[in-house]
Amino acid sequence: SQQGEEDPQALSIQEGENATMNCSYKTSINNLQWYRQNSGRGLVHLILIRSNEREKHSGRLRVTLDTSKKSSSLLITASRAADTASYFCATVPNRDDKIIFGKGTRLHILP
Amino acid sequence: DSGVTQTPKHLITATGQRVTLRCSPRSGDLSVYWYQQSLDQGLQFLIQYYNGEERAKGNILERFSAQQFPDLHSELNLSSLELGDSALYFCASSKTGGSGANVLTFGAGSRLTVL
Repeated sequence: SQQGEEDPQALSIQEGENATMNCSYKTSINNLQWYRQNSGRGLVHLILIRSNEREKHSGRLRVTLDTSKKSSSLLITASRAADTASYFCATVPNRDDKIIFGKGTRLHILP
Repeated sequence: DSGVTQTPKHLITATGQRVTLRCSPRSGDLSVYWYQQSLDQGLQFLIQYYNGEERAKGNILERFSAQQFPDLHSELNLSSLELGDSALYFCASSKTGGSGANVLTFGAGSRLTVL
């Protein structure tokens, strides 16, 4: 069963615009991670946010975490064609070694 | 190149057959995770090994089994294959096995097609 659910399932925006993806999860977590997958390839880790953190930045990426709402968002600023990919949130439940992925958001950057 | 090696890259086989997928983790990583990715189910966690021992189990079918060897490489065995087993199978590795700040490094995947 999925722990995290991304929203929207698909998103198309113009190059240069900002892209926002959301993730909701069900149980308490140790940390939440975001990964990117280019078509048919392996996933690549983008950023990790711990349960006691509220916001984290990495380059053009900004991640927020609201543990009271069990949700996270990933913001990609000034999008580029190379950002076209699927983005997954992954949750690490407390006292559990599993890393559970959602179904992902497919992001398409239009030239 | 992520440092995680998966073989074979592509595999086509018939229903009822058995296949073995192989994974070599990144140098220094002790933990191996297996995931199945199909179009309608997203990325499903199958099983995790840490330093040769099973650590966590997900939605792994009884027809599937896995192990991690002393040299830390892992194999995923899929038997009595069905059409629905067609998917991308990913292996990922991490330094430790605990639920702390484990970050996964993924291989390129093995694409299995069952005809």
